[in-house]
Amino acid sequence: AQKITQTQPGMFVQEKEAVTLDCTYDTSDPSYGLFWYKQPSSGEMIFLIYQGSYDQQNATEGRYSLNFQKARKSANLVISASQLGDSAMYFCAMREGETSYDKVIFGPGTSLSVIP
Amino acid sequence: DAGVTQSPTHLIKTRGQQVTLRCSPKSGHDTVSWYQQALGQGPQFIFQYYEEEERQRGNFPDRFSGHQFPNYSSELNVNALLLGDSALYLCASRLKWGDEQYFGPGTRLTVT
Repeated sequence: AQKITQTQPGMFVQEKEAVTLDCTYDTSDPSYGLFWYKQPSSGEMIFLIYQGSYDQQNATEGRYSLNFQKARKSANLVISASQLGDSAMYFCAMREGETSYDKVIFGPGTSLSVIP
Repeated sequence: DAGVTQSPTHLIKTRGQQVTLRCSPKSGHDTVSWYQQALGQGPQFIFQYYEEEERQRGNFPDRFSGHQFPNYSSELNVNALLLGDSALYLCASRLKWGDEQYFGPGTRLTVT
């Protein structure tokens, strides 16, 4: 069963506008972590933001914020004031459990294109 | 502060051959994970190493094996290469109890 769903294969946004990338997840483990990564055409996976399942507040990192709705099992990424350099693939990922021997499961990704 | 490094950058191998990919974790990190990313897909977890032992494994055959050295660096070995093994292989490191996992630039393997 698909554990991470990203329903938007491709998205376009005007420069300086905000954009929301959707992510839903499936887990029965009460302890988990959610990640967003950016992958430019160069291939390197860049860590953006992390949200723990017990965190009370939504995570924020500069222009990135994570809209965490636990009951709906969604963890959408919001990018404010889009820049041309934000054009890339964006992956939502989840780590289940609290042990150090856990694995991270990635979604299929969303391709974001920022239009000048 | 050096990030995660991987070598080689690109590699071309023939079906049936064996390959070894290398990874040096970010300074201070002790846990290394390997991922396979086929073109147009998200990364798939291969396995994770901590204290020189494989701690977690994804759905990959035994042809995929690895090793972690005392300095925390790691190798990924793939035997009897298949055309379907062509992919970007990503190495990631983190602290044992850390949340943030940092990735290297990847090794692009092409099997012909």
